[in-house]
Amino acid sequence: DMKVTQMPRYLIKRMGENVLLECGQDMSHETMYWYRQDPGLGLQLIYISYDVDSNSEGDIPKGYRVSRKKREHFSLILDSAKTNQTSVYFCASRTGGEQYFGPGTRLTVL
Amino acid sequence: GEQVEQRPPHLSVREGDSAIIICTYTDSATAYFSWYKQEAGAGLQLLMSVLSNVDRKEEQGLTVLLNKKDKRLSLNLTAAHPGDSAVYFCAVINNYAQGLTFGLGTRVSVFP
Repeated sequence: DMKVTQMPRYLIKRMGENVLLECGQDMSHETMYWYRQDPGLGLQLIYISYDVDSNSEGDIPKGYRVSRKKREHFSLILDSAKTNQTSVYFCASRTGGEQYFGPGTRLTVL
Repeated sequence: GEQVEQRPPHLSVREGDSAIIICTYTDSATAYFSWYKQEAGAGLQLLMSVLSNVDRKEEQGLTVLLNKKDKRLSLNLTAAHPGDSAVYFCAVINNYAQGLTFGLGTRVSVFP
């Protein structure tokens, strides 16, 4: 069973604080993704990682960075969070053409 | 780039009836098509995927139709039940290494 985990599930931060969102998968998938989901905008791609230390910007990378030091872990980092980064963040991993999503992290930036 | 339109945004269905959700896309090179289900507070669950050389696929009460000429993808929920109440998203991709392009979703409510 394909499983992607995300931690934490809920997070409240103040504007200007740093944020670390973690994603894990135990399927040895090479490619992983970070998306954010906002009402009326659907899901938007933030970053792609093709393997360890091989990352590429998605459609909305500004204000975010990523880290992938092990194949099974992919982190999303917000340096100095902004209120407009309040959203639900989803991680996914890919096998073939299919992407499998984690349960999401609901981030609120006050 | 690819654009995906999904309709309707909301759908109310009586239990036992069918529901159809339609997506249209713009890029004729689109190679892979997926449908996801999102229940309240949860992640996206992959329901079904089809390659561009497949016109029709049926699984467990779901039917996916692909019309490449019209660039239209549909999901048919046959005999809806309360557990089908969720938001459904279509997603397409023309390069497996890239991110998915999603429709904006259809909120399906199944009532008795």
